[in-house]
Amino acid sequence: GAVVSQHPSWVICKSGTSVKIECRSLDFQATTMFWYRQFPKQSLMLMATSNEGSKATYEQGVEKDKFLINHASLTLSTLTVTSAHPEDSSFYICSSFDGNTEAFFGQGTRLTVV
Amino acid sequence: AQRVTQPEKLLSVFKGAPVELKCNYSYSGSPELFWYVQYSRQRLQLLLRHISRESIKGFTADLNKGETSFHLKKPFAQEEDSAMYYCALGNAGNMLTFGGGTRLMVKP
Repeated sequence: GAVVSQHPSWVICKSGTSVKIECRSLDFQATTMFWYRQFPKQSLMLMATSNEGSKATYEQGVEKDKFLINHASLTLSTLTVTSAHPEDSSFYICSSFDGNTEAFFGQGTRLTVV
Repeated sequence: AQRVTQPEKLLSVFKGAPVELKCNYSYSGSPELFWYVQYSRQRLQLLLRHISRESIKGFTADLNKGETSFHLKKPFAQEEDSAMYYCALGNAGNMLTFGGGTRLMVKP
């Protein structure tokens, strides 16, 4: 099946710094990439939807200036957490469809802000 | 608005026992329902979808529009079924709404 590669798997950063998370579709074109956030023992919450070559659509309550999403190519989408704070610590997951109705997920990035 | 509810956070059964993970949804359109599974230290992966009506790893799920449910069932649970299970509802834009997840523990 299709593969979505997410990097890094985990990252620790200091408050106030920015962190970039990359998601690559390895054997298909990811026209749309979905970014989710998962708090401990909770479900995945959709943060934003990015389409290649256009601005991302953010869900209500998600700060677009805080979570910058870039989808410059059909195989790469990035999420940058700007000026990170401890409350941004979470598990971030990207997902895309390979043209069918099956979603493929990245392995997730655990972000810890200290 | 679309919503998915999984009432049980944890379901513990013995090996060989039947298992049913409940999922209820609310959606004004024609729903596409999925079950995703996440084994320990692995990424989320599709288990099955209602449109294919298939059985994967012995699991089945039937969409009941009258009860707005999509419960996941398996007649005889195995230890390797222990995982986190998420019910998800998809819309026309491929956006998925996930339920809260149910952790299935199959005891030997």
